[in-house]
Amino acid sequence: GDSVTQMEGPVTLSEEAFLTINCTYTATGYPSLFWYVQYPGEGLQLLLKATKADDKGSNKGFEATYRKETTSFHLEKGSVQVSDSAVYFCALSGGRNTDKLIFGTGTRLQVFP
Amino acid sequence: ETGVTQTPRHLVMGMTNKKSLKCEQHLGHNAMYWYKQSAKKPLELMFVYSLEERVENNSVPSRFSPECPNSSHLFLHLHTLQPEDSALYLCASSQASYSGQGTDTQYFGPGTRLTVL
Repeated sequence: GDSVTQMEGPVTLSEEAFLTINCTYTATGYPSLFWYVQYPGEGLQLLLKATKADDKGSNKGFEATYRKETTSFHLEKGSVQVSDSAVYFCALSGGRNTDKLIFGTGTRLQVFP
Repeated sequence: ETGVTQTPRHLVMGMTNKKSLKCEQHLGHNAMYWYKQSAKKPLELMFVYSLEERVENNSVPSRFSPECPNSSHLFLHLHTLQPEDSALYLCASSQASYSGQGTDTQYFGPGTRLTVL
C-alpha cells in the first residue's frame, strides 16, 4: 500500500544552519505531496505542497521538490530560526487513496540560538 | 470565524463519563476527518466523512462514535473511555476529489487535548 517514510528525529541545529529533512514515498498513480508543520500545542498547518513531478513547493523559506525518479520530497531551508522549532510531517494523497492523506511519523526539529 | 475550529481545547474526563468533541469548518469543504495523535506514534486516521456520509472507519473502538449532521459540523461522542485514549484529537476538512488525482489540501483545527483519568 501507499506509505511515507521520514527520517527519525530529533534534528538539532543552531540558528542559521541549513536544514534538510528527508522524505520518501511509495504510491501507485500520481500522488500529491505535502509538508505539514505542527508547532507546540497546536494542530497541523500546511507548509507547502506539490501536485506533480518536478514541481517545487515553497513557503516561509522552506522548499521541497517532487522527485518522481527518486520518489522523494525532501524539505530544505537555507537558514533556520529558533521559531522554526516544530514537528514536520510529510504526507501524500492520491495513488490508491484518493480521499485521505497518508502521513509519515513526523520529524521534530529543535533550533537553538 | 475562519478555518477549522474545535471545542473544547482541553478536556479531562473519567472513564465513566460521556462527553463530545465538536469541530466546525468555515471553508465550504465537503469532507471532514477525525485523527488521533498520541505521543511517539504516527498520526492515526479515525473517521472520514465525505458529503456527510461516513466513508472510512479505521477499526476504531465503539466507545468513539462520530456524527456529521451537515457538511460544516463534525462531532466525536465519547463514552467509557480508557486511559490509553488520552491523546490530541485533531479535526480536518478538505474538498474531496473523485477524479483519482488525490484529495485537496486538508486544513486542521487546533485539536482537543483529551485526558482520561
